[in-house]
Amino acid sequence: SQQGEEDPQALSIQEGENATMNCSYKTSINNLQWYRQNSGRGLVHLILIRSNEREKHSGRLRVTLDTSKKSSSLLITASRAADTASYFCATDSLSGNTPLVFGKGTRLSVIA
Amino acid sequence: GAGVSQSPSNKVTEKGKDVELRCDPISGHTALYWYRQSLGQGLEFLIYFQGNSAPDKSGLPSDRFSAERTGGSVSTLTIQRTQQEDSAVYLCASSLGQGFTEAFFGQGTRLTVV
Repeated sequence: SQQGEEDPQALSIQEGENATMNCSYKTSINNLQWYRQNSGRGLVHLILIRSNEREKHSGRLRVTLDTSKKSSSLLITASRAADTASYFCATDSLSGNTPLVFGKGTRLSVIA
Repeated sequence: GAGVSQSPSNKVTEKGKDVELRCDPISGHTALYWYRQSLGQGLEFLIYFQGNSAPDKSGLPSDRFSAERTGGSVSTLTIQRTQQEDSAVYLCASSLGQGFTEAFFGQGTRLTVV
């Protein structure tokens, strides 16, 4: 089963614009992570936000977490063509010893 | 090793044959995950190993799928009597442990059943 659901499914923007992707989940979580997948196979970890955190920054990335709404957003500022990829959120359950469960992802296209 | 290694990178097999996919996790990582990804889709959880605990097999789609992890390190995912719907990219990941840690992914094995 998939815990997270990303929104939108696909997003196309011009280089330099900001990109915002959202993730909703169903059960209480330990933490929420965002991953990136280029047109290839391996996923790369971008950022982790803990359940007691509300916002986190890493370079051009900004992640927010609202546990009351069971949702998170990933903002990429000043996007570049190289940001073109699929982005996934992943959660693990507060109940412990559970695997990371991924959403279906958002496909981001940044047009130069 | 430097990262998670999966082999083979690509595998073409005939329907009905058995296949074995291998994953070498990062040394010292106690958690190991297998996922399946069909074209353009999200990651479907298959199985999760954490230390010496019993594996979480809740994601395995049928009894044709099985996995083991020997010595807390290398893992093998076996698919018996492959079907065309098994065609997908099979991804393995490892992490230091559950909770508060990032997962490192291999490049996957692309399985094509013809």
